[in-house]
Amino acid sequence: DTAVSQTPKYLVTQMGNDKSIKCEQNLGHDTMYWYKQDSKKFLKIMFSYNNKELIINETVPNRFSPKSPDKAHLNLHINSLELGDSAVYFCASSQSSGIGDTQYFGPGTRLTVL
Amino acid sequence: AQSVTQLGSHVSVSEGALVLLRCNYSSSVPPYLFWYVQYPNQGLQLLLKYTTGATLVKGINGFEAEFKKSETSFHLTKPSAHMSDAAEYFCAVTLSGGYNKLIFGAGTRLAVHP
Repeated sequence: DTAVSQTPKYLVTQMGNDKSIKCEQNLGHDTMYWYKQDSKKFLKIMFSYNNKELIINETVPNRFSPKSPDKAHLNLHINSLELGDSAVYFCASSQSSGIGDTQYFGPGTRLTVL
Repeated sequence: AQSVTQLGSHVSVSEGALVLLRCNYSSSVPPYLFWYVQYPNQGLQLLLKYTTGATLVKGINGFEAEFKKSETSFHLTKPSAHMSDAAEYFCAVTLSGGYNKLIFGAGTRLAVHP
């Protein structure tokens, strides 16, 4: 059983397009996250939701919009894609938003913008 | 600002040799510290974490790390490297008083040669 899953695994698209990445966790966790890993492998948090409520919103262009339809799902929609959006996007979840709660990561979605 | 520094972006060891990956953090509040491993084209997997209590933490796959407050360090060690340990290793911190936001170091690529 996959704990945190993401679709698609690879996404290749043209500049200016709109795309979505989906994330699902079957761990029964309350909190989910989106991280971006750039070409130099640097990881940075983008968003976090706790029980469908946005609790972390880092300095991210407003072309990026997360949506959490329920606490098991967290999707990331990106409008007007730019070359600099090319990266690996990781979803993660934790039991709660409590400090130090272990975050479990999905396999990542590699986005390539041409 | 809080930060995590991993000394050495690449570390190479012989199979059977000691593995030492260095991590230092800067924080004005007590940190929670993590080591994650990323195998090629995969997501991140937790190796170990320190929250409170015993400063020597044992993790999976024979890894351990020691929290040294006076040195603001959380170095990762393994007595004997295996070929399967070749991967990217990330040190991360979350800070009390805020949300469960992981702040990552830049990562260290570990190569193990025969």
